[in-house]
Amino acid sequence: GAVVSQHPSWVICKSGTSVKIECRSLDFQATTMFWYRQFPKQSLMLMATSNEGSKATYEQGVEKDKFLINHASLTLSTLTVTSAHPEDSSFYICSARAPLGLADYNEQFFGPGTRLTVL
Amino acid sequence: RKEVEQDPGPFNVPEGATVAFNCTYSNSASQSFFWYRQDCRKEPKLLMSVYSSGNEDGRFTAQLNRASQYISLLIRDSKLSDSATYLCAVILNDYKLSFGAGTTVTVRA
Repeated sequence: GAVVSQHPSWVICKSGTSVKIECRSLDFQATTMFWYRQFPKQSLMLMATSNEGSKATYEQGVEKDKFLINHASLTLSTLTVTSAHPEDSSFYICSARAPLGLADYNEQFFGPGTRLTVL
Repeated sequence: RKEVEQDPGPFNVPEGATVAFNCTYSNSASQSFFWYRQDCRKEPKLLMSVYSSGNEDGRFTAQLNRASQYISLLIRDSKLSDSATYLCAVILNDYKLSFGAGTTVTVRA
């Protein structure tokens, strides 16, 4: 159990377009999901915490109007990169917090990531 | 100062060798500690949680030193398949994971 999927796995887009990335918990309900970004040879950096039914909480320095997060159901969170530019090219990874009883409550299950390339 | 720091390596070791590396964390209030493994262009996968008493999972041993604020990972009898980047991660009290930049391990035949 505890499988998280992401779609798409990779995307190439032109500068100025918007890209939506989906994160789904396949066999459990996730009230809390997290979005990370990882540049080459760098750490995963938390961008925001996505809570079902409420507004996302963004980390310092992350523009909420540029990275729109929607967590409309217990199994789906979406990240939309609006007006993408080349500097937004990165590896975007979501995770879902383990529900009580499934695992260590602090454990997060990661999606396979989405590689975004903005031309 | 970064919340979580790791020696980036790379650690190049022959098959069968033992390799160990540490990760330091800056906030003494950190509550949970993990080691993840990340292969190139893939998501991180949980290797093991790190408990106060230390824990072992097969060839992997993790330890926590709260006094000096570091966790360690030791890999015995290295296999070629152990080649990866090992990320340590720390949680404060808000369930957010803070990751180190990773330690690269390359096991050669």
